[in-house]
Amino acid sequence: EAGVAQSPRYKIIEKRQSVAFWCNPISGHATLYWYQQILGQGPKLLIQFQNNGVVDDSQLPKDRFSAERLKGVDSTLKIQPAKLEDSAVYLCASTLHPTQEMQYFGPGTRLTVT
Amino acid sequence: AQTVTQSQPEMSVQEAETVTLSCTYDTSESDYYLFWYKQPPSRQMILVIRQEAYKQQNATENRFSVNFQKAAKSFSLKISDSQLGDAAMYFCAYRGSNTDKLIFGTGTRLQVFP
Repeated sequence: EAGVAQSPRYKIIEKRQSVAFWCNPISGHATLYWYQQILGQGPKLLIQFQNNGVVDDSQLPKDRFSAERLKGVDSTLKIQPAKLEDSAVYLCASTLHPTQEMQYFGPGTRLTVT
Repeated sequence: AQTVTQSQPEMSVQEAETVTLSCTYDTSESDYYLFWYKQPPSRQMILVIRQEAYKQQNATENRFSVNFQKAAKSFSLKISDSQLGDAAMYFCAYRGSNTDKLIFGTGTRLQVFP
């Protein structure tokens, strides 16, 4: 079984530029999560999708962050414009359905904003 | 709001020895789930062990076991017969029974010395 795929693995941009991350969850997994992991901290949930609908985006900075999962499969997370404090690892995770206890994580995208 | 605290930023252990990682949490809920996740340097986070709060018996997975003290809101992870491959960041996480949102602690970096 293929795991959660993310790309790119690394990205360096200047502040005020835009960036997009891509996630392909495990096949058949209806629930998809995006987390932000700042250095020295645990992951923090940004947004949760159930199929192509948003379940929870209460911690997503909506003035600069956006995410979509148009066909209920893969997802993109965008930051525009980026700030220095957005430097972090962005993790994608998926589960078969919301009540499943185990979330499967991707390798993450490390973003550096200079 | 629920919080998860890991008070040990770094721990070290010698190969074949035993180490215990601490975690405390705060919640007003009576039913919930607790997890330990391992994040090796490659950053792909994997589930190590989980505990349902309604179960009194401590969870065990091979060399990994937990000491769950519900009244004290404590959830420590014991790694027996430590191996070099156990070196990683370990995150304690909480999930309420009516949500699939994970709340993570700040992590403990475990070093294993030969």
